[in-house]
Parts: sequence; C-alpha cells; structure tokens
Amino acid sequence: QSALTQPASVSGSPGQSTTISCTGTNTDVGYYEYVSWYQQHPGKARKLMIFDVTKRPSGVSIRFSGSKSGNTASLTIAGLQAEDEAYYYCSSYTRYDTIIFGGGTKLTVL
Amino acid sequence: EVQLVQSGAEVKKSGESLRISCKASGYRFTDNWISWVRQMPGKGLEWMGKIDTSGSYTKYSQSFEGHVTISVDKSISTAYLQWSSLKASDTAIYFCAREGGTAMVKNWGQGTPVTVSS
Repeated sequence: QSALTQPASVSGSPGQSTTISCTGTNTDVGYYEYVSWYQQHPGKARKLMIFDVTKRPSGVSIRFSGSKSGNTASLTIAGLQAEDEAYYYCSSYTRYDTIIFGGGTKLTVL
Repeated sequence: EVQLVQSGAEVKKSGESLRISCKASGYRFTDNWISWVRQMPGKGLEWMGKIDTSGSYTKYSQSFEGHVTISVDKSISTAYLQWSSLKASDTAIYFCAREGGTAMVKNWGQGTPVTVSS
C-alpha cells in the first residue's frame, strides 16, 4: 500500500483558518471512520490531535477539527496561532488490519 | 504518567542482527497493542507492524513481513523489534507506539536511531 497523500506544506496568517488534506483509497480512509491526526514540533514527541475522524482528545484545542468525505480526510485549524507551526501527519486503519500514514505536512504560520 | 522508553542508538554493519526495545510504564501493559513505526532520513512515517501484548498475535505490513520480528515480554512490560540480517536500507529512526483502540496512537516512544553501514 502507498502512503496516504498529504500536501508537503501549507501556510496561513495568524487568525486565519487552514486545512490539511489526507487522501487515501476505499480500502483505508474511505473504508472506516478511523482516521487520526498528529502534531509534531521539532524535537518534541508527536501529539494526537484528532482520532476517529472528528474526535478531539482531552486537552486539544477546539480550534482543531477533523472531517472526511469519501477517500479524503481533512484537518482544519481555525484561528491560526504561532504555536500551531509544526508538522502534521494523518493515519488511517485499513481493511487489511494494518495502519497507513501520510507523508506529513509542514504548516507555516506567516 | 504513561511512558514508552526505547533503547539507545545503534550502529551496525550489513548482515548483523539487532534487537531494540521499548519499555512501557504508567498503564497496564496488556491493555494496549504496541506498533512499530519507521522514519527514514528526511521521510515520513511508515507503519511496520503491531503486536497484541496480551496474547502475542502479530500483524505486519507487507513491506516489512519476513524482514523484522515483533515480540513482547509481558513480565517486564517490554516490546521488541528485531532483525536477523540488517541492510543499509534499514538505516532509520524506529518508534514504538501505544495504540488506543481504533488504530490511533496514544503515546510514542522517543525513537531509536539505527545506522547500518555497508
């Protein structure tokens, strides 16, 4: 299986909203409602931001939201803040009982 | 506090064997599956496989099956990733990850850098 497809980079100005896409196939993103998103700041541990497509773990800002349409999942960050600048990775459970990751997206806050 | 503490960096030669470890603490070890994830230099994350820590059932990505072995020692809450014959292309950072049920990762180890020279 090929990796899920994410844009290499996205950017936005403080206060704006930005969306990161994650495109898979009908055997992964499109098959289950099990897409997760992770945030990683350089030198820091990866942090779970969204799971099961739309759910936020306790402690994650409500500015982060997830959605899915067909084989594409999306992470939207509202009211961009400087601290949101990081790498973001998506992942999905697959019909083969495996997990697949996206290639990662670097978010730059201008 | 949940922690996954991995063994230290390794430098090996092609053809050598290697086992790296991931010691869990702060939760009941057998409650969650453990996955292993590879990150090659400058690249994204690749899921390698997972193990049911309560029963030792394993599932591997097709890309890694036959090349690595995942195991656990429940008595010491530790998961392992091992190679019998390393290749230079195995040079990467390897992360263990505690799964939360629906294939989400709740916690990550700090990563073990592995360098394999030819």
